[in-house]
Amino acid sequence: SQQGEEDPQALSIQEGENATMNCSYKTSINNLQWYRQNSGRGLVHLILIRSNEREKHSGRLRVTLDTSKKSSSLLITASRAADTASYFCATAKVPGANNLFFGTGTRLTVIP
Amino acid sequence: DTEVTQTPKHLVMGMTNKKSLKCEQHMGHRAMYWYKQKAKKPPELMFVYSYEKLSINESVPSRFSPECPNSSLLNLHLHALQPEDSALYLCASSQVASGDRSPYEQYFGPGTRLTVT
Repeated sequence: SQQGEEDPQALSIQEGENATMNCSYKTSINNLQWYRQNSGRGLVHLILIRSNEREKHSGRLRVTLDTSKKSSSLLITASRAADTASYFCATAKVPGANNLFFGTGTRLTVIP
Repeated sequence: DTEVTQTPKHLVMGMTNKKSLKCEQHMGHRAMYWYKQKAKKPPELMFVYSYEKLSINESVPSRFSPECPNSSLLNLHLHALQPEDSALYLCASSQVASGDRSPYEQYFGPGTRLTVT
């Protein structure tokens, strides 16, 4: 079974709006990662947040982590049409291992 | 160079064929991975190699046979596949897991789109 669940499954917004995606996971973690995947292509690593961090920023991306609730959120501000993609959170099945398991993903569509 | 390359980009094979997927990276990563991804689903981990040795096999059927000839190359040998094996096969690499800084970010190739007829 997958390590994480994401919601919403799909999100459609207008260019310039903010997009928020949520991820829940099941076990203890050292870190949680977010990846983007354009249709039918490989995944691109966006940001990694460690278990002792609560918030992290990278450009227009803001990630939060709540280990007590085993949840994370990814906020993309001032969205662009080029942000249209699927977004996945990922954690290791066992803390410290390299076996990443991906959440179910959020398919984001940004309408120009 | 942060690129992971995969060949071929597309592959169509019959159920009796034998074919191989190839993956290469030159980032000095000693962990390499194979994932399978069906349409509109997340990638599913198949195999993990650490220091050229198979460390994780996620209960993958034996018709998939991985091989890591050296630290830069990863192959996936395919034999007697079924139509349900049609998917996007992704290769990735990263630093090897070490303590509480793991897992490390993974670098993915563009994938091989496999169709089994």
